[in-house]
Amino acid sequence: AQRVTQPEKLLSVFKGAPVELKCNYSYSGSPELFWYVQYSRQRLQLLLRHISRESIKGFTADLNKGETSFHLKKPFAQEEDSAMYYCAPTPPLLGYNDMRFGAGTRLTVKP
Amino acid sequence: DAGVTQSPTHLIKTRGQHVTLRCSPISGHKSVSWYQQVLGQGPQFIFQYYEKEERGRGNFPDRFSARQFPNYSSELNVNALLLGDSALYLCASSIRTSGRNSYNEQFFGPGTRLTVL
Repeated sequence: AQRVTQPEKLLSVFKGAPVELKCNYSYSGSPELFWYVQYSRQRLQLLLRHISRESIKGFTADLNKGETSFHLKKPFAQEEDSAMYYCAPTPPLLGYNDMRFGAGTRLTVKP
Repeated sequence: DAGVTQSPTHLIKTRGQHVTLRCSPISGHKSVSWYQQVLGQGPQFIFQYYEKEERGRGNFPDRFSARQFPNYSSELNVNALLLGDSALYLCASSIRTSGRNSYNEQFFGPGTRLTVL
């Protein structure tokens, strides 16, 4: 079965500490991978797309095909990073129409 | 541009009733997708429409249906409501549909909170 797992529902770190939000997927083939973020009282929005290989707001995401993981990382967390983060691998055979979201991790960055 | 808009913001229905949710995409966007987000879960894909045609369907029963109008706005209809249909329903628009090898960023609306009693 095609599954997306974000093992941590809640993650709390102090400001300035490194943060890693985990995402594991089980798909045949090579999905494209996205991270979405939802800040308090804002809409769900794209944070980054792995194929772009960009760093957005200091976040990067590394695809590990061997471990089928796509963890989101930031070396120094800021209070404004507090939000809900969703990993969304997209099955390649279905195309990008069928986004598959994980259950999400709520990140809290404490001062 | 106000972005994707959805109406109503909140809705309470009883089991067995029917509901219609509405979505207006960003100006110039021709594709609309619908997602269901149950509390504590990520969004689940329901439908995608592009140029008034269904381009994708998730694993939802036939009680769920949708359509897109000539102005690219969209409606999601759910018949014979069940308690389990209680959720946040999200609409997302993109410039065009995404295929197997092309991606167009989706922009999400604020959602409609449906409660079924």
